[in-house]
Amino acid sequence: ETGVTQTPRHLVMGMTNKKSLKCEQHLGHNAMYWYKQSAKKPLELMFVYNFKEQTENNSVPSRFSPECPNSSHLFLHLHTLQPEDSALYLCASSHPLRGGNNEQFFGPGTRLTVL
Amino acid sequence: GQQVMQIPQYQHVQEGEDFTTYCNSSTTLSNIQWYKQRPGGHPVFLIQLVKSGEVKKQKRLTFQFGEAKKNSSLHITATQTTDVGTYFCAGSYSGTYKYIFGTGTRLKVLA
Repeated sequence: ETGVTQTPRHLVMGMTNKKSLKCEQHLGHNAMYWYKQSAKKPLELMFVYNFKEQTENNSVPSRFSPECPNSSHLFLHLHTLQPEDSALYLCASSHPLRGGNNEQFFGPGTRLTVL
Repeated sequence: GQQVMQIPQYQHVQEGEDFTTYCNSSTTLSNIQWYKQRPGGHPVFLIQLVKSGEVKKQKRLTFQFGEAKKNSSLHITATQTTDVGTYFCAGSYSGTYKYIFGTGTRLKVLA
């Protein structure tokens, strides 16, 4: 256990569905990240939030909509996805302002399949 | 744009042999991290390098950061079956919390 939890662990959805992925960290970190991991492009950074403010949007299509209501929670809202969006979605957190390493702690991921 | 390339993509070694993976950035890095991801698992932090020419060791693992802070390497001495997994470097650029991950090197160790 890394202190970062993700739900659900597996999700199958149709292209017309709307679903949300949830990430929660219990580490007191202020930065949270969404990554996409697929066979074609391992570990693509999608979004970065620092103190609830979005600091990076890595040219992600608008069918992915992040939400960060507080420093402990991060959501990824999904709508009208495409089959090529099937991948492992990983959440991570870190504390950049704390002295020492800006180590990212990853959650177990959500395995998403879009039919 | 900023890119981090990693080679080789795959490496199969006999148990006891050494292993090295290399990471190169198109532009100067602020710092670089290394992660290990076991099959079916998630990335786990190994180390962070910050200083030009820095070398750090963790038991059989040796990490180096190039003098120009554009490249890095991870060397494992006398591999064991527990070393199996994918090793990623992740580079950070000055003034950002953003890390660009390399493509990873998948290591298989044959007993």
